[in-house]
Amino acid sequence: GAVVSQHPSRVICKSGTSVKIECRSLDFQATTMFWYRQFPKKSLMLMATSNEGSKATYEQGVEKDKFLINHASLTLSTLTVTSAHPEDSSFYICSARAVGQETQYFGPGTRLLVL
Amino acid sequence: GESVGLHLPTLSVQEGDNSIINCAYSNSASDYFIWYKQESGKGPQFIIDIRSNMDKRQGQRVTVLLNKTVKHLSLQIAATQPGDSAVYFCAENSDDRGSTLGRLYFGRGTQLTVWP
Repeated sequence: GAVVSQHPSRVICKSGTSVKIECRSLDFQATTMFWYRQFPKKSLMLMATSNEGSKATYEQGVEKDKFLINHASLTLSTLTVTSAHPEDSSFYICSARAVGQETQYFGPGTRLLVL
Repeated sequence: GESVGLHLPTLSVQEGDNSIINCAYSNSASDYFIWYKQESGKGPQFIIDIRSNMDKRQGQRVTVLLNKTVKHLSLQIAATQPGDSAVYFCAENSDDRGSTLGRLYFGRGTQLTVWP
C-alpha cells in the first residue's frame, strides 16, 4: 500500500520549453501532495504544498509563475516547469499524504535536464 | 531554515554489523518523526516513524530511539546488509504554520556504505 508514482521518470527538454510532471497516489487518496527539489548529494528542498481543490502554498524563494502546480483530484497533482532553463535541471520528487495521516509517501522522482 | 540536522554525513560498516545513524532536531514542539531511506536515483522510502509520546519503536531489523530531553533521534539497523547502502534522512513533522498536520523538515542525510 501507499504507492506514489511519477511520470515521466526522466525528461530532457530545450531551454524555453515547458515540462509537466505528474504525481499520482495509486492506492490511497491524498488530500495533500508536496513537491520537492533535490540537488546532488543534498537534502530535499520543499518547493510547495498542494492541497486538493485549492491553490498551492509555495515556499519562500520559489516562483509560483515558474513552477505551476495543479492538484485537481485526490490522486493527481502536476508540476509544470514553465520556460525551463538549464538551472532548472534537477531531481524533482513528489510526496503524498493520505487523509488524516501525517506520513508522507514519496514518488520515485523525475530527473529533468534542460539543454 | 531546517531544524533537523545529522551528526555524521557518512558511515561505513561491515556486513553483519549493526549501524547507528544519529539525528538532532531543534524544535521541541515537533511531535512526529520519520526515517527515510533513499537509494541513488530514487525517491525516499519510508522506513519507520515514531511519535513524541514514545521513546522507542521497533520494526523489522530497525529500531528508532527518541530522546526528547536532548532532542535526539537515532536509527539502528541490525545485521546490516549491502542492500542497506543508501542515504538515510530523518524528518521532523512540525506544525509551524498552524496548518493541519504540518510539514516535514529534513536533515542533511547520512550516506551508509556497507562493505562485504
